[in-house]
Amino acid sequence: QVQLQESGPGLVKPSGTLSLTCTVSNGSISSLTWWTWVRQSPGKGLEWIGEIYYSGTTNYNPSLKGRLTISVDRSKNQFSLDLHSVTVADTAVYYCARASRGPGGHKFDYWGQGSLVTVSS
Amino acid sequence: DIQMTQSPTSLSASVRDRITITCRSSHNISTYLHWYQQKPGKAPTVLIYHASSLESGVPSRFSGSGSVTDYTLTISSVQPEDFATYYCQQSYSAPWTFGQGTKVEIK
Repeated sequence: QVQLQESGPGLVKPSGTLSLTCTVSNGSISSLTWWTWVRQSPGKGLEWIGEIYYSGTTNYNPSLKGRLTISVDRSKNQFSLDLHSVTVADTAVYYCARASRGPGGHKFDYWGQGSLVTVSS
Repeated sequence: DIQMTQSPTSLSASVRDRITITCRSSHNISTYLHWYQQKPGKAPTVLIYHASSLESGVPSRFSGSGSVTDYTLTISSVQPEDFATYYCQQSYSAPWTFGQGTKVEIK
């Protein structure tokens, strides 16, 4: 089955850029689906960040738009997240996930294990 | 954005109890609603999709129902492995949004 794995720094300084990569295995990133980032602040709920289609089409959460870039590298079967101008409020566990589009629309059916990113000086 | 409100925020239950969690959306989402289970330190997993369809591999004690703005997740007989936090998520209109979660604890 499809597996996803996040990678990237666990500590980012305020005003810096949070960068994470998600590697997809046992499946092609060029499949007809969306690849997604979701975050969860400590002790809090889930927040959808944004998504990218294999073609490079993106959808972003308006609450983060302007600070966010999601990109795809089909040659490496990876997609990436860059969140700019971070503050302590961006401290969270960041998950990458696959969004399948069957009955009922976007369903996040495969997830990475999550990567804790702390924003601190 | 479509707001998703779950109730209760937490509940205590005993093994073999029947429990129900409710999710209300701020707009009609036409059964574009999924339910997830999350255990501490783990990623969420899908239980129910499209309001009432059981995800492959999920025990039949889990069921979902609802329409328009009101949805429920029911566990017919809670098992020890079901103590976790449950989230609903709407897939009707981006940005996709989640409920705040319902933590199911052992009584």
